[in-house]
Amino acid sequence: GQQLNQSPQSMFIQEGEDVSMNCTSSSIFNTWLWYKQDPGEGPVLLIALYKAGELTSNGRLTAQFGITRKDSFLNISASIPSDVGIYFCAGVENSGGSNYKLTFGKGTLLTVNP
Amino acid sequence: GAVVSQHPSWVICKSGTSVKIECRSLDFQATTMFWYRQFPKQSLMLMATSNEGSKATYEQGVEKDKFLINHASLTLSTLTVTSAHPEDSSFYICSGGRGHTDTQYFGPGTRLTVL
Repeated sequence: GQQLNQSPQSMFIQEGEDVSMNCTSSSIFNTWLWYKQDPGEGPVLLIALYKAGELTSNGRLTAQFGITRKDSFLNISASIPSDVGIYFCAGVENSGGSNYKLTFGKGTLLTVNP
Repeated sequence: GAVVSQHPSWVICKSGTSVKIECRSLDFQATTMFWYRQFPKQSLMLMATSNEGSKATYEQGVEKDKFLINHASLTLSTLTVTSAHPEDSSFYICSGGRGHTDTQYFGPGTRLTVL
């Protein structure tokens, strides 16, 4: 199956700093999703991207769907302690049908020092 | 909107017993539901995909007779781990899709510990 390369694996930053993480794939995805997972919880959707080149913001978060449809990045501005968690990118293999599947990146563990 | 619940949130059982986990979409109809498992410090791995009223499609390497999935309605899917063993201990997460978009909404997960 398709694989996503997510980087970095982990980040340690100071409160107030900006953060950037990205995912790349050797194959094309039609949709990119970014999730955040807190310990012992399910992933929570942060941003959904449906069109190549799309740039979408959600508060301090900004994500872009790469033009080639093989990559996406997520930026977090002015980080705060509650941003701590694991961030996953996910690509959708088939759009429009009912049996679409997500392929997940391995996650980026973010630690924010107050 | 797009809230998914799971029950129970955690369960401890003896080896050899069966455990049922429920996944409900609370404010939308999930035409498709997915079941994942996640081991510590790892990503989510898809186990199976189920559409309401039809048999689930299992990923390669996932035993369908061990992980029974029932998607009886547009708001409820169940995963039954039959004859559980310690190696089945994991975090099980379901998700639901609304059919018109590719976005999946995840439940809070169920922590299964098999003694």
